[in-house]
Amino acid sequence: NAGVMQNPRHLVRRRGQEARLRCSPMKGHSHVYWYRQLPEEGLKFMVYLQKENIIDESGMPKERFSAEFPKEGPSILRIQQVVRGDSAAYFCASSRESYYEQYFGPGTRLTVT
Amino acid sequence: LAKTTQPISMDSYEGQEVNITCSHNNIATNDYITWYQQFPSQGPRFIIQGYKTKVTNEVASLFIPADRKSSTLSLPRVSLSDTAVYYCLVGDPNTGFQKLVFGTGTRLLVSP
Repeated sequence: NAGVMQNPRHLVRRRGQEARLRCSPMKGHSHVYWYRQLPEEGLKFMVYLQKENIIDESGMPKERFSAEFPKEGPSILRIQQVVRGDSAAYFCASSRESYYEQYFGPGTRLTVT
Repeated sequence: LAKTTQPISMDSYEGQEVNITCSHNNIATNDYITWYQQFPSQGPRFIIQGYKTKVTNEVASLFIPADRKSSTLSLPRVSLSDTAVYYCLVGDPNTGFQKLVFGTGTRLLVSP
């Protein structure tokens, strides 16, 4: 059973460009979470999604960031008009139910130049 | 969600037992205590979860006193590969674990 998959593993964008981060949850998992980690800090929750629904986006910046988890395909975290402060590691996690332990992917390291 | 406090870093040598203590003075009745491990350039990995007394699995033990205001993660006979950041999280599995709240964790360095 493959783990949580994230791609790309590394992404370089210039200021103003768009970044698209993809997450495929573990098989049988319908709950997806996105976290952001700045250097030397703990992970910060961004958004929690189920298939076709955003359940909790309290950790998402109000502008430029959006997330989706369509009926088919991976979950997408989209950052428009990236700025240097968006440079971080973005981790996706999935769980079978909302209260089960979360399994994390390897992360996508975004660098904004 | 209950706030947690852990030491910033710890040092140990191979073969020793390591105990990492986490304080959570305002833990709620329905809260569980969960520990995650994170290696460099990887996502966190669940280690152990408990509610009270003692929990043991193949990786670690978790000791929780009766007042539940603290907990101790015990790693028996650590090896170099146990060098990682360890996070203590507190929350209600039915409501609070939808968004895990990570502090800065404890950075464990195991030396030969």
